[in-house]
Amino acid sequence: QSALTQPASVSGSPGQSITISCTGASSDVGSYNYVSWYQQHPGKAPKLMIYDVNNRPSGVSNRFSGSKSGNTASLTISGLQAEDEADYYCSSYTSSSTYVFGTGTKVTVL
Amino acid sequence: QMQLVESGGGLVKPGGSLRLSCAASGFTLRGYYMSWIRQAPGKGLEWVSYISSNSGLTIYYADSVRGRFTVSRDNAKNSLYLQINSLRAEDTAVYYCARMGGWGGFDIWGHGTMVTVSS
Repeated sequence: QSALTQPASVSGSPGQSITISCTGASSDVGSYNYVSWYQQHPGKAPKLMIYDVNNRPSGVSNRFSGSKSGNTASLTISGLQAEDEADYYCSSYTSSSTYVFGTGTKVTVL
Repeated sequence: QMQLVESGGGLVKPGGSLRLSCAASGFTLRGYYMSWIRQAPGKGLEWVSYISSNSGLTIYYADSVRGRFTVSRDNAKNSLYLQINSLRAEDTAVYYCARMGGWGGFDIWGHGTMVTVSS
């Protein structure tokens, strides 16, 4: 199972919106609404930000939103803040009943 | 406060074995599917395995570890385990246990335990 494809880096100024893409295949992202997104600060464990494509866990800011079209899922961060600077990973359930993660995206707040 | 705490990592020689543990607190492990996920130094996340809730009869592994890693659970001890055998240098990583809130996300993560495979 190949990793989902994410851009290596995305940057934006405070207050701006950015979008991170996550491209998979018809055997994973394209077939299931089981896409999730994780934020990871250096030296820390990942934190769930979005589950089931577009749902936010309790306590996650509504500045984070998710969507999906075909084989590509997206995470949008609006009103970018300094604390959003981190690595972000997508994940999807697959037709093999396994999971696959994305390659990861480093978000830089300029 | 719901929490997962991993232990059991360390330095091991190629071909060696380790048993990782993950202790849950603040919730009952029995009712949840649980996963192991790893992250090699400076690299991305890699899903390793999951085990179904209750009796844990359903288990899946990533191709990279199938046949060498074994996941298990002890609901009475509210704990999850990963037996890792025939270790290779490429198994060097931080190993996280994570709760599966549903099929669509890993909602609680431990802090991780480091496994280093080196001679």
